[in-house]
Amino acid sequence: DGGITQSPKYLFRKEGQNVTLSCEQNLNHDAMYWYRQDPGQGLRLIYYSQIVNDFQKGDIAEGYSVSREKKESFPLTVTSAQKNPTAFYLCASSSGGGRAYEQYFGPGTRLTVT
Amino acid sequence: LAKTTQPISMDSYEGQEVNITCSHNNIATNDYITWYQQFPSQGPRFIIQGYKTKVTNEVASLFIPADRKSSTLSLPRVSLSDTAVYYCLVVAPSGSARQLTFGSGTQLTVLP
Repeated sequence: DGGITQSPKYLFRKEGQNVTLSCEQNLNHDAMYWYRQDPGQGLRLIYYSQIVNDFQKGDIAEGYSVSREKKESFPLTVTSAQKNPTAFYLCASSSGGGRAYEQYFGPGTRLTVT
Repeated sequence: LAKTTQPISMDSYEGQEVNITCSHNNIATNDYITWYQQFPSQGPRFIIQGYKTKVTNEVASLFIPADRKSSTLSLPRVSLSDTAVYYCLVVAPSGSARQLTFGSGTQLTVLP
């Protein structure tokens, strides 16, 4: 089955630790995205990548880092510099050729930092 | 930046047609209008996209007037499983970061 995989589904960390969230897709999509969702709120863009080895900051990139070494993978690291890391994190992808409006989302990772 | 405005919530009954309107007064010439559905603790699901007039697929219809300053998502004969949050976005094909922010959406509650 083609789709987007995020792991783990739930993640718990202590304050001050960096944590990396996994996102893998087998849709052969060029573009990938990371969003953050807080309770009762919409999604906010953290980072996005339109092609391998290239990525751009979204609205709330501070305290996060990404890499895009492979087309299929777009891991997100939540660093200790992120002041409020507890949230629901969603990864998405879209095909190339200018179809950013049609994104396919993974199941999400719920991160809790205490 | 074409900011969108949607109602915060709507209630409907099973079997009724539901219309959710989105306002986007500052839409640019090359922007597309797209709608997503999200269930609790899941990622959003793409429903439909359009540029002008009317678009219909197996799930919904999208009505866009000539001035494109608003759009209406129409869900025919809703069921309890259509209870979800619906997001309207205005996005250029290249998808600039400033456009890829989902607002609070419209919470649709379908009642028996």
